[in-house]
Formats: sequence, structure tokens, C-alpha cells
Amino acid sequence: DAKTTQPPSMDCAEGRAANLPCNHSTISGNEYVYWYRQIHSQGPQYIIHGLKNNETNEMASLIITEDRKSSTLILPHATLRDTAVYYCIVRVEGAQKLVFGQGTRLTINP
Amino acid sequence: SAVISQKPSRDICQRGTSLTIQCQVDSQVTMMFWYRQQPGQSLTLIATANQGSEATYESGFVIDKFPISRPNLTFSTLTVSNMSPEDSSIYLCSVGPGTGKAFFGQGTRLTVV
Repeated sequence: DAKTTQPPSMDCAEGRAANLPCNHSTISGNEYVYWYRQIHSQGPQYIIHGLKNNETNEMASLIITEDRKSSTLILPHATLRDTAVYYCIVRVEGAQKLVFGQGTRLTINP
Repeated sequence: SAVISQKPSRDICQRGTSLTIQCQVDSQVTMMFWYRQQPGQSLTLIATANQGSEATYESGFVIDKFPISRPNLTFSTLTVSNMSPEDSSIYLCSVGPGTGKAFFGQGTRLTVV
């Protein structure tokens, strides 16, 4: 699986959009981009994933660049409950393993 | 979706002893995964548990230290053997990444004293 690079920490004001970047310059054509988050003292939670096109669900939006070498997770209206470590993972669809990097510790400030 | 229950949620153990962690899933799954999360660190995959066959261990993890059982399609156990303080971590059970979404238990917080 391709390696990802994320900033170690970010801050965002409550109510604003939180934009979390991820670099995956060695991604292969059949690898998807997945985002998970881990709220303190809980197991990781799936957020969203995509291959080429931008994706949106009830939790977030995922913007993938045209060359697929980077992506951005957008939490449109961040709340205090969005404070967590966010993990960007790339993997082939159907592959069983998830390989976690260090993630981004996002702090939402009141 | 899948609901995963882990027991115990936390424990404090003496060095040299062993602890068995249980993972129960509310549906049948082919593979179950065990992760370790050391303090302040990310998750590291320990092994993949398949029903009816031996678990597959990742580099740096061995069966003697982390024996795994998978007696049926909804249950697995991970034992942390001959514990030392370095084994103090959160241990997590997971299912389902092959479908695109992985589900995790709440974890077992282990402290070895």
C-alpha cells in the first residue's frame, strides 16, 4: 500500500470548515483513499473513501486531485465532537489490511 | 455495519502473567484483525485471524507472545503472554476492511505493572 503524509496537528474554530490534507504521491491506479478518525479512547471510525471523483456523505467531503497524488478531507461545519486523530489510508479495494500512519490530530476550538 | 464487543475494556496486570482479550462480532465474518496501539502512537496490525486456520502474524509479532484463537465466524481471542510493562497498550479488534469499511471494537486498555 502507498505511503501517506499528513500534518501532525491542526486547529480549527468551531463552526468553520476543517480541511485536512493528505499526500499520497506514490498511489497506484487501483488504490482508493480512505479516511478514518479516532476520537479519544475509542476505536477508529470510518468516514469516507474515494478513487478518483470527489465524494460526499453525511459526515464529510473528500476532494481528490486530478493526478490523485493528494486529497483533502473537509468537515464542513466542525464541532467540538470532531476533535480526533484523522487517518488517511490508501489501499487496494478488497485488500484486507489497513495500514495506519501517524494521522493528524485535529483540535476544534470553541 | 458490524457491532464489535471487546472484553475486558481495561485491565491492570502483573508482569509475567497473561491476559486473554475477547472479541465478539454481531455477524459472521471471514477475517478478524488484531491491532496494538502503544501510548501516543498509531495503530499497528498484530495479526489476521481466519476461522479454521492459523493466524497470520505481521513482522515483529510472534505466535508465542500473541496466541490467537478463532473458533467460529463471530468470535476471536488474543492472548498477551508473559507480559512486561512494554506491553502496556490498547488492543483493538477489527473486521471488514475488504468491504471498504472497517469496524473496530472499543479496545482493551492494558496496563502492565
